[in-house]
Amino acid sequence: AQKVTQAQTEISVVEKEDVTLDCVYETRDTTYYLFWYKQPPSGELVFLIRRNSFDEQNEISGRYSWNFQKSTSSFNFTITASQVVDSAVYFCALSDGSDSNYQLIWGAGTKLIIKP
Amino acid sequence: DTEVTQTPKHLVMGMTNKKSLKCEQHMGHRAMYWYKQKAKKPPELMFVYSYEKLSINESVPSRFSPECPNSSLLNLHLHALQPEDSALYLCASSQDPFDPGEYEQYFGPGTRLTVT
Repeated sequence: AQKVTQAQTEISVVEKEDVTLDCVYETRDTTYYLFWYKQPPSGELVFLIRRNSFDEQNEISGRYSWNFQKSTSSFNFTITASQVVDSAVYFCALSDGSDSNYQLIWGAGTKLIIKP
Repeated sequence: DTEVTQTPKHLVMGMTNKKSLKCEQHMGHRAMYWYKQKAKKPPELMFVYSYEKLSINESVPSRFSPECPNSSLLNLHLHALQPEDSALYLCASSQDPFDPGEYEQYFGPGTRLTVT
């Protein structure tokens, strides 16, 4: 069965610190997709990244970077030099073609608090 | 333009009321979704429309009735709701539900519903 685990319920850091959010997934499929979404207090879920299972290259977008490692079934997200505006709940999600028919399997979310 | 709009932003309704939530996207997306999100939880999928046809109904009670009048619009009709239905209702769209390579979902800001 598919599963996404975000073991960190809440992380609190001081502004400008680097922070890594962990995501571990389970799937039997060889083709799957991994996502990160950000949900600020306003409520809207903001798409951050999609990664397919055949592309293990790490991705960097400004202060954000993602480390995809199939060997450990992890897709971790790092924010460098965090800012107060990064405070939000971050969800990792998985999509594969098995039971879910490509619908999203969500992790529980990690609440990130950036203190000034 | 990756905007999904939802109205109203907030809704308070009694258990005997009938109300509707509205969602609109102009990205040419052919899949649209309704999610329900309780506080501190990930979104739960309710309905999926692909090419204006209901393709997934995740065993949602009949007091929630979706409607897709055209490819840009999605409604959720509410009738005889219960207090436990109070939640954030999110609409999302994606380009093609059957093409996983273009699968990221774009979310609207949500409607915060309170049932009294």
